[in-house]
Amino acid sequence: NAGVTQTPKFRVLKTGQSMTLLCAQDMNHEYMYWYRQDPGMGLRLIHYSVGEGTTAKGEVPDGYNVSRLKKQNFLLGLESAAPSQTSVYFCASKGKQTQETQYFGPGTRLLVL
Amino acid sequence: AQSVTQLGSHVSVSEGALVLLRCNYSSSVPPYLFWYVQYPNQGLQLLLKYTTGATLVKGINGFEAEFKKSETSFHLTKPSAHMSDAAEYFCAVSESSLGGYQKVTFGTGTKLQVIP
Repeated sequence: NAGVTQTPKFRVLKTGQSMTLLCAQDMNHEYMYWYRQDPGMGLRLIHYSVGEGTTAKGEVPDGYNVSRLKKQNFLLGLESAAPSQTSVYFCASKGKQTQETQYFGPGTRLLVL
Repeated sequence: AQSVTQLGSHVSVSEGALVLLRCNYSSSVPPYLFWYVQYPNQGLQLLLKYTTGATLVKGINGFEAEFKKSETSFHLTKPSAHMSDAAEYFCAVSESSLGGYQKVTFGTGTKLQVIP
């Protein structure tokens, strides 16, 4: 039982390049989330998904796209990276009930030059 | 709309001293409340949570928190700090919103430094 895994762990991009961050969970959770974490700003929600085939925008969705083709995977895409997207990205998943715990991946550090 | 306020972005305590990390929330419905801990270069992990029932909640590593509805607070405490407690702590509130989406809102975090 690996929980929530993220790949890659670290990446350096040049401005304008694209990349995809992969999140996988093996807990059969319905809900999945992508957050970014920046110093002094806590966690900000980028996009989320309430089930396979569904996605929705969070607080800071601009410049990102997501897909949830399989229940266990949630992909975050950057079509044209910008220095403002330098951050640590966390994926999380949780079950259907409101009181359930979110489980977080180890994070992906992204540096955009 | 729900919100979470953590007072103090940095807190320093001496080893063996009381740890008190403050969290206040606003919510239009009875909330579910969480404390998560983040060690350097790691993801967040659950310390404890309040759902219903007893308002004093015990978590891992000797931490506990008390839900006080009248004060809209959920402060985290530990009687005696240990060096291994140095980390960043996040308070979060979860509630259902229109359409069934379960919105989770995080505070901006409090970095705990433990001084030998």
